[in-house]
Amino acid sequence: GAGVSQSPRYKVTKRGQDVTLRCDPISSHATLYWYQQALGQGPEFLTYFNYEAQPDKSGLPSDRFSAERPEGSISTLTIQRTEQRDSAMYRCASSPFISSGREHEQYFGPGTRLTVT
Amino acid sequence: AQTVTQSQPEMSVQEAETVTLSCTYDTSESDYYLFWYKQPPSRQMILVIRQEAYKQQNATENRFSVNFQKAAKSFSLKISDSQLGDAAMYFCAYRSAGGAAGNMLTFGGGTRLMVKP
Repeated sequence: GAGVSQSPRYKVTKRGQDVTLRCDPISSHATLYWYQQALGQGPEFLTYFNYEAQPDKSGLPSDRFSAERPEGSISTLTIQRTEQRDSAMYRCASSPFISSGREHEQYFGPGTRLTVT
Repeated sequence: AQTVTQSQPEMSVQEAETVTLSCTYDTSESDYYLFWYKQPPSRQMILVIRQEAYKQQNATENRFSVNFQKAAKSFSLKISDSQLGDAAMYFCAYRSAGGAAGNMLTFGGGTRLMVKP
């Protein structure tokens, strides 16, 4: 596609509910990242995928957070038993394949603003 | 671990004037990339400019240029001929050059730039 897309753009959920956020990266981009951005702060890394492999989950704040990219394209981020502290903007980004010359650049989607009430 | 610091929470500039945003970082690595991202009120994250640490020449993109001082670990952004559309939050970001752990971006806390007509 023309850019990274995310859905939904806004999500309000009650504490304790599960939510799933979706990211559709730029087509042919091999690497996909998830970040969490609290209001007034910079994004913080959660996890990333190289195609369907997930080499680094070190930024996931708890085992309530999980991510998938089963076919190496679209990815989902699931938060189970949401808590108020999970309220944030969740951003997805993608990078071109290695040897493209631009593999170190990350292109961000518009984000999903999650509010847990 | 790498850290990125933006010491100016807010800056303002008169339209058509020049402004410089500061960024410092801490790393023990010799090879890495540095970026400036723009986040307008729409909350998109837009890549403005990038710098490879192995390059001595400062990057430029139209009205945007950087002053990269590797020894001082400083990476400032200069915006020339400021326009109203430049008003945004600006984030400085660091990325290691290689290895599985090198894919994540580490962001600073951001600088809010206001442009006065």
